[in-house]
Amino acid sequence: AQKITQTQPGMFVQEKEAVTLDCTYDTSDQSYGLFWYKQPSSGEMIFLIYQGSYDEQNATEGRYSLNFQKARKSTNLVISASQLGDSAMYFCAMREGGGFKTIFGAGTRLFVKA
Amino acid sequence: DAMVIQNPRYQVTQFGKPVTLSCSQTLNHNVMYWYQQKSSQAPKLLFHYYDKDFNNEADTPDNFQSRRPNTSFCFLDIRSPGLGDAAMYLCATSPQREGATDTQYFGPGTRLTVL
Repeated sequence: AQKITQTQPGMFVQEKEAVTLDCTYDTSDQSYGLFWYKQPSSGEMIFLIYQGSYDEQNATEGRYSLNFQKARKSTNLVISASQLGDSAMYFCAMREGGGFKTIFGAGTRLFVKA
Repeated sequence: DAMVIQNPRYQVTQFGKPVTLSCSQTLNHNVMYWYQQKSSQAPKLLFHYYDKDFNNEADTPDNFQSRRPNTSFCFLDIRSPGLGDAAMYLCATSPQREGATDTQYFGPGTRLTVL
């Protein structure tokens, strides 16, 4: 069965520093996709970055990058040069190839300090 | 801009009074989803439409129903809202290509309050 684990309920980071949010997953499928979403207090789920299970390179998208370690089943999100606007809840999610159901982790609330 | 739109953003209803939430999309995606997200929790999938095919999650209460009259619109009907149904309701879409794992794009959500 699919499972997503985010073990950090809350994280603090100083503005302009980098921060890593952890995520591990479990699946028996060979084909799957991993996603990170940002949810500010307004409630909207904003798609940040995607990593496919067959992708050999770590995904990057602006200040966001993934440290994808397939053998360890982890996909940690790195946010570089944190900004005050990065303060939000961050969800790691997974969907098995061709499937419809996306499983979300419990989320990590990030606080960026000025 | 192509997007997912949800109306209203905030909805207040009374205990037991039926309520309908709406979602529309300009992305022309063939899959639409409804999620329920309670405070400080992860979103939970209620059901999805693949084109006109409706797929209910096994643990979605019968109190929740959905309609998709066309590609662009999808509605969530709560027949008799209880206090426990107060939550954020998120609509999402994805293109769902065969065998691929496509990104879901979410609307801004409707925050439902039940009095």
